[in-house]
Formats: sequence, structure tokens, C-alpha cells
Amino acid sequence: DIQLAQSPSSLSAAVGDRVTITCRASQSIGRFLNWYQQKPGKAPEVLMYAASTLQGGVPSRFSGSGSETDFTLTISSLQPEDSATYYCQETYRRTFGQGTKVEIK
Amino acid sequence: QVQLVQSGGGVVQPGRSLRLSCTASGFTFSHFGMHWVRQVPGKGLEWVAFISYDGSLKYFGDSVKGRFTISRDDSKNTLFLQMDSLRTEDTALYYCAKDRPYTSGWYEYFFDHWGQGTLVTVSS
Repeated sequence: DIQLAQSPSSLSAAVGDRVTITCRASQSIGRFLNWYQQKPGKAPEVLMYAASTLQGGVPSRFSGSGSETDFTLTISSLQPEDSATYYCQETYRRTFGQGTKVEIK
Repeated sequence: QVQLVQSGGGVVQPGRSLRLSCTASGFTFSHFGMHWVRQVPGKGLEWVAFISYDGSLKYFGDSVKGRFTISRDDSKNTLFLQMDSLRTEDTALYYCAKDRPYTSGWYEYFFDHWGQGTLVTVSS
């Protein structure tokens, strides 16, 4: 089975900071990786698919990169509404990473 | 607009069964695969099951294989998850989610719409 390891598991950053979340796959998955954002009490929402394609309506401060086993989600300038938990997902076996909780300082 | 409205959660004893429903609107239900994803409160997401647009393909996560069944009724725009032999570790918030292919490739999709979630509690 493919395992996804996200780091860090949580972070606290100030408004305007650049934030990077990493997702590492246990084997090569090409670019078959999606990113989701989940706010408390809400269902997840897709941010990014195919590692770096922004879903329509998602702010351009979000970007994704990577391939094979190493992927990153970057928020270029953190906003208060970005406080959430972020999950990566590979699409071979649909496995999710364990999540990264982003808090605003 | 796309809506996925879930029902059927509740409290059930270990070993018993429960069926979840997810009724879709705002898109042509019969054209899309559907998933179930669960989340233990305060924990991460776990993919549970998938059914293809025509019902011919069904896949399950290892933790539910052999105990859960996924089905769909396109005449009612409804997705089902039949959960048998329930265990305490099946306690979670269950979401249905719509599959969104972005090319014709087998692994090229994401989940673009989710239901509101329904809580299943397995407890004696």
C-alpha cells in the first residue's frame, strides 16, 4: 500500500507569512496527488489536483509542486481564512495523508 | 448547484448493520463515480469505498472489505453504503463524495463535491 507522510503535523504562522506543507509518498505516484482543505465542522474542499493544478475558485496564493514521491503545498501569503487542516491524497489507492493543521498566530 | 444530502447515520451495537444514503442533485448522477470517506472526530480522512458511474466497478478500503457494500440507484439519484458486522472502530463521520475525472486517465480524478457528513456511532 502507498503511504503518505505529511509534515509538519501542525504549524502556527502569522498573517502574510509564506507557509509550506510537505507530502511524501512511500513509492512513486507520478503527479497523481491532490490537496484538500478542511475547516472545522465542514467537509473537505479540493484545492489542487495533479500536484499543481489549481481548482477553479481557489485563490492564487495557493500553489503546488512536486512529482514522484515529494510534493509541496505552498501558501504564499497566509490569510486568516486559511486556518484549516490540509490533506494530500494519492489517487492510486485514494489514500490520504494524516493532515497538517495550520493556525494563525 | 451540486448538492449531496446524506442520511441514515445513528447509534448501533457492534455486530449490527446500518445503511447510509446520499441523494444527489444538480448534476447527472449516472455519469459520475461516487465515493465514501470517513473521519473519526478529531482525526484524519480515510477513504472507504468507490463505485463507478455505471456500477460495474466497486473498490473498498482494506479495513471494510468484506463487511461494507456500496451501491447506487440512478433512478433515485442515490448512493448507498451498506455496513454490516459493524465494529467500534467504524465509529466515524461518513461523507459521500462525487468523483471528478479531469482527463480520461484511470488515476486522474479528484473529489469535487462532498456531502454534509453523517455520524455513525458503534457502541454497546
